[in-house]
Amino acid sequence: DTEVTQTPKHLVMGMTNKKSLKCEQHMGHRAMYWYKQKAKKPPELMFVYSYEKLSINESVPSRFSPECPNSSLLNLHLHALQPEDSALYLCASSHRRTELNTEAFFGQGTRLTVV
Amino acid sequence: DAKTTQPPSMDCAEGRAANLPCNHSTISGNEYVYWYRQIHSQGPQYIIHGLKNNETNEMASLIITEDRKSSTLILPHATLRDTAVYYCIVKWGATNKLIFGTGTLLAVQP
Repeated sequence: DTEVTQTPKHLVMGMTNKKSLKCEQHMGHRAMYWYKQKAKKPPELMFVYSYEKLSINESVPSRFSPECPNSSLLNLHLHALQPEDSALYLCASSHRRTELNTEAFFGQGTRLTVV
Repeated sequence: DAKTTQPPSMDCAEGRAANLPCNHSTISGNEYVYWYRQIHSQGPQYIIHGLKNNETNEMASLIITEDRKSSTLILPHATLRDTAVYYCIVKWGATNKLIFGTGTLLAVQP
């Protein structure tokens, strides 16, 4: 199983709503990532979790709150978002053991629209 | 992490080889070259990576120059399904920080 599964595929939320994006993998990967991608732009790294601990936060606003409850799951909690936060949110995972130096596997993303 | 420079777009005829260049003149000795692609509205897909030797897999070949300042991704027989944005990324092996540049939009023409 080399899949990273993201749910939901599409999400529309109001600026006062609270919602969560979910990501799941069963490849035994211990590094998991959140990326944000605006139209016609490359993916931008938001967060990296390593062994269920937050290791990188790319100065992301606090209205985005990541959570890694176990080695297979990664959540992104959303609160008080702005319309400019509308984007494709991508999850990825990879081996944490650096000597393996292997690739990252990406999910198909959640298309988020903030109204 | 070293920065990369890629042409914004390229065309290729179906069935011909697609050669996608990447410059990474500030690459350091322990940084690898990775290639990913992203087909429209899908998540990025890993293609290949290498350190200094040329690499080949079922998808593509990666040619890295001897001074490691540039590389070329080769798709030997491009198909319409290879139309995508191709990203060249330089990454230190000990970090999980995978940073995407602007990439090359490859359009395979029938």
